[in-house]
Amino acid sequence: EVQLVESGGGLVQPGGSLRLSCEVSGFMFSNYWMTWVRQAPGKGLEWVAQVNPDGSETHYVDSTRGRFTVSRDNTKNSLYLQMSSLRGGDTAIYYCARDFGWATLDYWGQGTLVTVSS
Amino acid sequence: EIVLTQSPGTLSLSQGERVTLSCRASQTLDSSWLAWYQQKPGQGPRLLIYGTSSRATGIPDRFSGSGSGTDFTLTISRLEPEDFAVYYCHHRVTFGQGTRLAIK
Repeated sequence: EVQLVESGGGLVQPGGSLRLSCEVSGFMFSNYWMTWVRQAPGKGLEWVAQVNPDGSETHYVDSTRGRFTVSRDNTKNSLYLQMSSLRGGDTAIYYCARDFGWATLDYWGQGTLVTVSS
Repeated sequence: EIVLTQSPGTLSLSQGERVTLSCRASQTLDSSWLAWYQQKPGQGPRLLIYGTSSRATGIPDRFSGSGSGTDFTLTISRLEPEDFAVYYCHHRVTFGQGTRLAIK
């Protein structure tokens, strides 16, 4: 069974940092692109970042580029999102998802909530 | 930057009805990259349709997708109670704003 479990969310002050993790099981993690998507409270989905199977290629939405870093450890079946210089607009549930091709996200985690507030 | 506009924002329907959701793009899309997701409260999204018209694993055949160019649709032939949720279209790094199906 494919599973993706996010962790690391919480309350952080504006300007602070946080590292999210996504531990996966049930598939060959090292074969897939992986993506982070977020959802502000009561809002729609926003694509955030993605990383290729070996971690050598990353892409970001403009609003996070330079502040967020996506990475992975294929030996630990884990995906990460290092977030810094956090702002109120970053408050959201953050989901990790598997990209099975053509940027289609076929498995999602349950999400982890990040709240940026003083 | 591609913009996906979904309409309507909210639909109130009854069980058993047929519904068609619209997703319009600001420019022509490669249909291979167009997907639809369902999201219920407190849950992560679930993939329904990929490549415009292919159903994901385990998705009932009452769900179907079609379209080309800038206009794409998701049709649910007969609404079941579990289908009342929010639906998003998606192309590469862009999501539509979602359509909420509510019970009338």
